[in-house]
Amino acid sequence: DVKVTQSSRYLVKRTGEKVFLECVQDMDHENMFWYRQDPGLGLRLIYFSYDVKMKEKGDIPEGYSVSREKKERFSLILESASTNQTSMYLCASSFYGGGGETQYFGPGTRLLVL
Amino acid sequence: DQQVKQNSPSLSVQEGRISILNCDYTNSMFDYFLWYKKYPAEGPTFLISISSIKDKNEDGRFTVFLNKSAKHLSLHIVPSQPGDSAVYFCAATALYVGYQGAQKLVFGQGTRLTINP
Repeated sequence: DVKVTQSSRYLVKRTGEKVFLECVQDMDHENMFWYRQDPGLGLRLIYFSYDVKMKEKGDIPEGYSVSREKKERFSLILESASTNQTSMYLCASSFYGGGGETQYFGPGTRLLVL
Repeated sequence: DQQVKQNSPSLSVQEGRISILNCDYTNSMFDYFLWYKKYPAEGPTFLISISSIKDKNEDGRFTVFLNKSAKHLSLHIVPSQPGDSAVYFCAATALYVGYQGAQKLVFGQGTRLTINP
């Protein structure tokens, strides 16, 4: 079974803090993704990575950065947290197969920025 | 600009009856469509998918129908069971547009399905 784990289930941070969200997958997948889920908006792609040290912007990258130093780990960084970044953050991974591969999701991190 | 839309935020169905969840898309480049199911406090899990070369795909109680001319797809669950109560997300992608095999999925807003006993 594919396992995608996220470092925290719940986080409370203050405006202006630097926030790190960690994601680890154990299936040797090449691709990893960060989404945020908001009511009425569904899941929106923030960043993704198709290889170590490679990253691509998703649909809403502003205010976020990412790091992928090892294949199994993909970190999402909020350089200076703001209240509009309060959300559920979901990490996913998939293998490289040329198209249509299933993305496997972690349980999510619910972030509250005060 | 919502390229994938699920216009029903919620749906309530009697156990044993058919559940029909709908999804519309606007981008004609999308050629692969997926449904994900999400329980509270868990990540979404893949349910079923369909390529644009087909108009129907079936997996047990779940069937997805695709109408390309209308840019519409639907998920049918027959018969509906209490364990089907969850949020369902429709997603779409363009298979030939990939970064080294990483597919960008565009998700709809989700529909909360409640199955009543």
